[in-house]
Amino acid sequence: DAKTTQPPSMDCAEGRAANLPCNHSTISGNEYVYWYRQIHSQGPQYIIHGLKNNETNEMASLIITEDRKSSTLILPHATLRDTAVYYCIVSGNQFYFGTGTSLTVIP
Amino acid sequence: KAGVTQTPRYLIKTRGQQVTLSCSPISGHRSVSWYQQTPGQGLQFLFEYFSETQRNKGNFPGRFSGRQFSNSRSEMNVSTLELGDSALYLCASRVLAGDTLLTDTQYFGPGTRLTVL
Repeated sequence: DAKTTQPPSMDCAEGRAANLPCNHSTISGNEYVYWYRQIHSQGPQYIIHGLKNNETNEMASLIITEDRKSSTLILPHATLRDTAVYYCIVSGNQFYFGTGTSLTVIP
Repeated sequence: KAGVTQTPRYLIKTRGQQVTLSCSPISGHRSVSWYQQTPGQGLQFLFEYFSETQRNKGNFPGRFSGRQFSNSRSEMNVSTLELGDSALYLCASRVLAGDTLLTDTQYFGPGTRLTVL
């Protein structure tokens, strides 16, 4: 299963866009990129997923590079409630979560 | 539609005891996966069950076992508890039908917080 690399922490001002990067250089052609977030010991919450095209839903946008080796999750207008650990995962037989990015939204 | 439910939410045991955790998946979901989350190791995959059969297993000792019932509900058992088994145990369910494996979103429950004294 492909592994992912994310920065350990990021800050974002409230109301600004939060851009969370993820590297997944060993991703296979049919594997999807998933994003989840976890707020203080609650169960991880699904955000969005994609294969090769950019995706958008009510929570976020997902930008996947053309070579599919990296992606960026965009929270367009971050709020304090978006403070959480964000996990980028490549789908496979199992989900490998890695250490994620701890995003802090600052008032 | 109700989400994934886990019982109990909190549990305290002593070393050497065994524990059973329960997970009820979202209605219509046939796959249940279990994860262990600790501050030191993060979120780690334990195993996945589908149609009452274990289809994937992570790198955990045999003290960790599970099963799935015909209604897709799943239980996880840990025998001979050790202090290091203190963790948040998370259950996730997905539909897992046909060729949708790689695009089959997992939905997580709130977890069971196990403390081993």
